[in-house]
Order: sequence, then structure tokens, then C-alpha cells
Amino acid sequence: GESVGLHLPTLSVQEGDNSIINCAYSNSASDYFIWYKQESGKGPQFIIDIRSNMDKRQGQRVTVLLNKTVKHLSLQIAATQPGDSAVYFCAENRPSGGSYIPTFGRGTSLIVHP
Amino acid sequence: KAGVTQTPRYLIKTRGQQVTLSCSPISGHRSVSWYQQTPGQGLQFLFEYFSETQRNKGNFPGRFSGRQFSNSRSEMNVSTLELGDSALYLCASTTGTPDNSPLHFGNGTRLTVT
Repeated sequence: GESVGLHLPTLSVQEGDNSIINCAYSNSASDYFIWYKQESGKGPQFIIDIRSNMDKRQGQRVTVLLNKTVKHLSLQIAATQPGDSAVYFCAENRPSGGSYIPTFGRGTSLIVHP
Repeated sequence: KAGVTQTPRYLIKTRGQQVTLSCSPISGHRSVSWYQQTPGQGLQFLFEYFSETQRNKGNFPGRFSGRQFSNSRSEMNVSTLELGDSALYLCASTTGTPDNSPLHFGNGTRLTVT
């Protein structure tokens, strides 16, 4: 079946470094992609999104890159802080019934060392 | 604006029982969707409701069902519980409009089946 996967299950960085989290998707019908952050004991929290008509989008300290040719998505976090430590999920969204059906990656655990 | 509220926070049930989980979306949001999160399978889509109608459904057995009320609040029911149903159940809401908005998650209900 269709799937979304992450290349690295755990990423360990030093405070102040830049972090890059990668994600591969396989459903060519997906046209909306979202990155979520999940802290322990909480639900996922929206970070940034991108639609398939774009290849790059920037937010505050975060950038998402989309390469539709190789079906690859990445999240870049600049000047990583201890508060960024969490599990990060990518989600590909396939249009269905006037909405979207999301498929989530397995998650990457980001550990930021002070 | 209050976030997505899920009750109860924790539940312990016995195999064969049934359970009902509740979700109150963000005010003004008309779409509510449900997800199951387990260490083995990750975050998986269960179903989505919009204007009291199920709009999309994931690949879960019929033991998993839901409904949405006129005030957009939603409930999810699992009948004949199995040990494998132990998971964090997350609810999320969006506006549900065609331009879509990212999912806003609650903090989940932790269900343990013994």
C-alpha cells in the first residue's frame, strides 16, 4: 500500500546547530504536506505546511522543501534549541470527498543537547 | 480560543467491553477526525466527520465507529475491545473548507485494554 517513511528515526544535535529531518512519500496523488511536532504527553502540533505547487516554504526558524520528482520532503530547523526536542512527523494528504486523507510518517525523534 | 478537548484523558477497559471517547473541536471548526497512535503502527487515520456525516474512512474494522453532533462535537466508539486496541486515540479538528487548514489535535485519550 501507499506509505510515508522517514529516513532517520533519531536525530541528535547540539544546541545552535541546524537540523534537517527527511521524509519520503509514495502517493503521487498527495498534493498537501504538513510537518507536525509532538512533545511527550501531547498531541501533534502544526509546524509548517506546503502545497504541491510550491517547492519551498519558510516559517520562523523552519523551512520545508518539497521535491516532487523524487517524492521527498524535508524540514529544516535553524539554530535548534532544547525546546525543539520532540518527535517530528511528516504527513502527506490525498484529496478525498472534499477534504483530505492524511498518511503520517513514522516519526523522527529530535534530541537537542545543551 | 480554546483548543481541541478530549475526554477522558485515560481509560482502562477489559477485553470484550466497549468504550466511547469524546472530542470537542475548536469553536467554528466543522470537521473532526480521529486517529489511533501506537508504537508499532504509528499515527493512523480512523475517520473524518463533517456536518454530522462521515466524509472519509480509514482502514479499520467496523468495531470502530463514530458520530458527530450538530454542535460539531464528536464521539468515537470501539466495541468488543481487543488487547491490540490499546493506544493513544487522537482527535483533530479543522474548518473543513476546501482550502483546508492543518489539523489541530487534542492531547488524546490513552486507552489501555487488559
